[in-house]
Amino acid sequence: AQSVAQPEDQVNVAEGNPLTVKCTYSVSGNPYLFWYVQYPNRGLQFLLKYITGDNLVKGSYGFEAEFNKSQTSFHLKKPSALVSDSALYFCAVRRWTDKLIFGTGTRLQVFP
Amino acid sequence: EAGVAQSPRYKIIEKRQSVAFWCNPISGHATLYWYQQILGQGPKLLIQFQNNGVVDDSQLPKDRFSAERLKGVDSTLKIQPAKLEDSAVYLCASSLDWQRAQYFGPGTRLTVT
Repeated sequence: AQSVAQPEDQVNVAEGNPLTVKCTYSVSGNPYLFWYVQYPNRGLQFLLKYITGDNLVKGSYGFEAEFNKSQTSFHLKKPSALVSDSALYFCAVRRWTDKLIFGTGTRLQVFP
Repeated sequence: EAGVAQSPRYKIIEKRQSVAFWCNPISGHATLYWYQQILGQGPKLLIQFQNNGVVDDSQLPKDRFSAERLKGVDSTLKIQPAKLEDSAVYLCASSLDWQRAQYFGPGTRLTVT
């Protein structure tokens, strides 16, 4: 069975500092990995995905994520956080034609 | 490009009543999804359509939930009768096909009292 874990309920970071939101997954075979962001009272917005190829994936709003097969991780990163990045972030995984499985989400709080 | 549209945005009903949600996907997107997001959890897939055919409804409580996608475009999700535990945000998403990223609508927040 597929699963994804986001070990931190909340991540706090000062504006201008680098941020990391952690995600680990469990899936047999090759994973398809995604990051979504959710702002209050809005639906999820797609940030980036890893399907195959380069392990470092660049996405929207300056975010990037690194696929690490040996550690089964897909951590979301940004070199310099903005207050406007404060939101709920979801990691998701699926295998080929299977359904997308979401983590429980990590709330990112960026302080000015 | 217009995004995924959903209505209503909010709905409050009493238990045992029925409710319906509507979704209009991004034009040209063949795949449509309905998710249930309970407070504090990630979205859970209820049903996936490819055009107007059901691909996956394994997590849809079929005794009370139903969904259809007529003509392969708009979709409706119905709950009848509603239970307290159905209180959640119902998200609709669409994608060009099952391999592509999914784009989500704003959701419908359902409160069952």
